[in-house]
Amino acid sequence: QKEVEQDPGPLSVPEGAIVSLNCTYSNSAFQYFMWYRQYSRKGPELLMYTYSSGNKEDGRFTAQVDKSSKYISLFIRDSQPSDSATYLCAMSAGFNKFYFGSGTKLNVKP
Amino acid sequence: NAGVTQTPKFRVLKTGQSMTLLCAQDMNHEYMYWYRQDPGMGLRLIHYSVGEGTTAKGEVPDGYNVSRLKKQNFLLGLESAAPSQTSVYFCASSSPTGTKYQETQYFGPGTRLLVL
Repeated sequence: QKEVEQDPGPLSVPEGAIVSLNCTYSNSAFQYFMWYRQYSRKGPELLMYTYSSGNKEDGRFTAQVDKSSKYISLFIRDSQPSDSATYLCAMSAGFNKFYFGSGTKLNVKP
Repeated sequence: NAGVTQTPKFRVLKTGQSMTLLCAQDMNHEYMYWYRQDPGMGLRLIHYSVGEGTTAKGEVPDGYNVSRLKKQNFLLGLESAAPSQTSVYFCASSSPTGTKYQETQYFGPGTRLLVL
């Protein structure tokens, strides 16, 4: 079983839709949770960072962590064509060792 | 502040040739990493370093060597390239716990390598 599972998609939505991206994990020691956005032929860029459980909001993006269910989510409100990218979840139990999901490809249609 | 940079951006090698990929960061990060990214496989850790002069193996280290002679640089070497090493290589760096964005990584733009 992989440490982190992520649906690869692709996920196609119309502009303005609310997008929900999710990851599940198996290691209860994970405390640090990240979402990266990766445009085609570019490196991953950090989008959201959360420590432990709870919600974090940044503009149109909301990250949620449910440690009891070992489930994290990224919500994108009012999605834009510029949000079209692959979204990677990542997590860590500390000591700077990171585990990545395989990424979900999102396409927002104008 | 350039962040994490990688050289070269793209390279074509023949089987058996060698090459070195260079990663540089200007954020004074202690930790540096090399990943490869293949379709459907996600990011897989090749080697990493927790400080100048130290290196350690990751998930897929075979066929690669690394060196961290200076804190800001992390080199990835392929001694005898094989077609299975065709991939996109990403370097990343992070700072130890206690900083603002502890336990997060910052990535370079990637190097596309094709081994024929």
